[in-house]
Amino acid sequence: SQELEQSPQSLIVQEGKNLTINCTSSKTLYGLYWYKQKYGEGLIFLMMLQKGGEEKSHEKITAKLDEKKQQSSLHITASQPSHAGIYLCGAANQAGTALIFGKGTTLSVSS
Amino acid sequence: ETGVTQTPRHLVMGMTNKKSLKCEQHLGHNAMYWYKQSAKKPLELMFVYNFKEQTENNSVPSRFSPECPNSSHLFLHLHTLQPEDSALYLCASSQDPGTYNEQFFGPGTRLTVL
Repeated sequence: SQELEQSPQSLIVQEGKNLTINCTSSKTLYGLYWYKQKYGEGLIFLMMLQKGGEEKSHEKITAKLDEKKQQSSLHITASQPSHAGIYLCGAANQAGTALIFGKGTTLSVSS
Repeated sequence: ETGVTQTPRHLVMGMTNKKSLKCEQHLGHNAMYWYKQSAKKPLELMFVYNFKEQTENNSVPSRFSPECPNSSHLFLHLHTLQPEDSALYLCASSQDPGTYNEQFFGPGTRLTVL
């Protein structure tokens, strides 16, 4: 079965610093989703990447998909306390019916 | 506010109790999902419904019984649960099931089984 490995597991950065979170799949990726979750709450959709080489940005968050490496990265520029939370990557399961997720990366931003 | 609501937000139950979780989506979507999120584990897919029909059961124990009376509502009936079933239960919906359909998540129900 497919697995998604996220790194790092947790991250503490100073406000204003840049950071990158990685998501690596054990199998071919057919669409990669990034979500953000506040502890104990639901997931908020950030962006979806479909094609190799695709890059999307939303405010200060940029995500890229490297299809050959079966990997995606999420980059946050000039981090703010509002960026704190758990970032999860998700990918379609083999049947294409639902998403499987990584364990998440917990981000803390110190001011 | 994602357009997916879940009630209750918190639930504490004994192992012999029977309770139900409710999910409602106001987005006109056709597919609905139940996920389980336990500490230090990835989100686990439990069930998928498409047009009210169950299309996927991810080897979930029978003490969890889903019900989808229409495309807008999804229930998870719980009975004789175990303490290890304590987790955050998340409901999601998407326009259709499938690879490139964004899923919208509810806020979850935090379940504690004593």
